[in-house]
Amino acid sequence: AQTVTQSQPEMSVQEAETVTLSCTYDTSESNYYLFWYKQPPSRQMILVIRQEAYKQQNATENRFSVNFQKAAKSFSLKISDSQLGDTAMYFCAFMNHLRGGSNYKLTFGKGTLLTVNP
Amino acid sequence: AAGVIQSPRHLIKEKRETATLKCYPIPRHDTVYWYQQGPGQDPQFLISFYEKMQSDKGSIPDRFSAQQFSDYHSELNMSSLELGDSALYFCASSINRDSYEQYFGPGTRLTVT
Repeated sequence: AQTVTQSQPEMSVQEAETVTLSCTYDTSESNYYLFWYKQPPSRQMILVIRQEAYKQQNATENRFSVNFQKAAKSFSLKISDSQLGDTAMYFCAFMNHLRGGSNYKLTFGKGTLLTVNP
Repeated sequence: AAGVIQSPRHLIKEKRETATLKCYPIPRHDTVYWYQQGPGQDPQFLISFYEKMQSDKGSIPDRFSAQQFSDYHSELNMSSLELGDSALYFCASSINRDSYEQYFGPGTRLTVT
């Protein structure tokens, strides 16, 4: 079974600064997807960024980027120019890439609560 | 754009009662996933459906059952409710079973008293 570990239960950052959230995972599979989801106080699950394991290039979405180290099984999220609206719980998630009949269930880490201070 | 709809948004039940949660996927999405998020916890996969058939099962108690109907909406039925069932229940949909993109609904908050 896959496991996802987020070692930072809480983090804080000043507005406009950069912060990095850590995530490691354990799997014996070679094809998979990794995600960062944001859960603000509204509790809605919002996809922040996605990385396919077969792609060496790190994914980027505006102020959000990842550092994907496949050999180390590490998948960190960098948030640049932090904004007050970034305050939320951030979950790292793993999904197997199994074609031919299997669905893609998500396995989540325990989350990191990020607070952006004015 | 249409999103995943979940109803009700909030539900309060007493111990030993039953509850039914409904999920309406995005139009033309035929795959549905259910997740349970306890207080202060990460979401846990419960069960999934593809084309009205159960396709995968996670840590779903035997007291829970679910199905997907011909219009692709899904219902999660929970019986003999326990205090520990209090949680946020998410439904997510995908355009098909080979898609890695899951679109989450707003969740149903179930409180068992």
